[in-house]
Amino acid sequence: EIVMTQSPAILSVSPGERATLSCRASQSVSINLAWYRQKPGQAPRLLIYRASTRATGIPARFSGSGSGTEFTLTISSLQSEDFAVYYCQQYNKWPRYTFGQGTKLEI
Amino acid sequence: QVQLVQSGGEVKKPGASVKVSCKASGYSLTTYAITWVRQAPGQGLEWMGWISAFTGNTEYAVELQDRLTLTADTSTNTAYMELRSLRSDDTAVYYCARDTTVTTGGGYDPWGQGTLVTVSS
Repeated sequence: EIVMTQSPAILSVSPGERATLSCRASQSVSINLAWYRQKPGQAPRLLIYRASTRATGIPARFSGSGSGTEFTLTISSLQSEDFAVYYCQQYNKWPRYTFGQGTKLEI
Repeated sequence: QVQLVQSGGEVKKPGASVKVSCKASGYSLTTYAITWVRQAPGQGLEWMGWISAFTGNTEYAVELQDRLTLTADTSTNTAYMELRSLRSDDTAVYYCARDTTVTTGGGYDPWGQGTLVTVSS
């Protein structure tokens, strides 16, 4: 099983600032990496796929980068709705596409 | 628009079974696989299993394969997740999600709204 490790576990940032979240895979997943945002009481929502492609309707302040084992999600100017939990997920090794443990973005 | 709507919350006793439905609208269930993911209270996301409504093929997490059955009814465009011999640690929110990873290289999109299953005596 590919283990996904996210850091930090909690990130404290002010509205309007930039946030950088990291995700590391235990083995190469190429660019088969997705990011999700989960607001309290809601289902996760796809933000980024193929490591750097924004999903439909996702604003340009979200950007993803990386390949292989190291990935980054950057949110350029935090809005109130961005304070949530973020998960990375590898989908290189079918069918069990494992998730990271999550990064909580708090004010 | 593309949407997955799940059935309502359930309260079950240990040893019982639960069956959760996931109705797709805006697309045909046969064009993308459905994945089931669960989330225990305050915890992360756990992959449970996968079903292709087109072929009927399924894949299950090893730790659940003895208790989990995924099915799909193409006539109603609905997927189902049945978990048997429920234990207290099965208490979680259960999500279905459309799996676009193979077809379009994307991720799980969209997700159902989630179904809370509570296992308690």
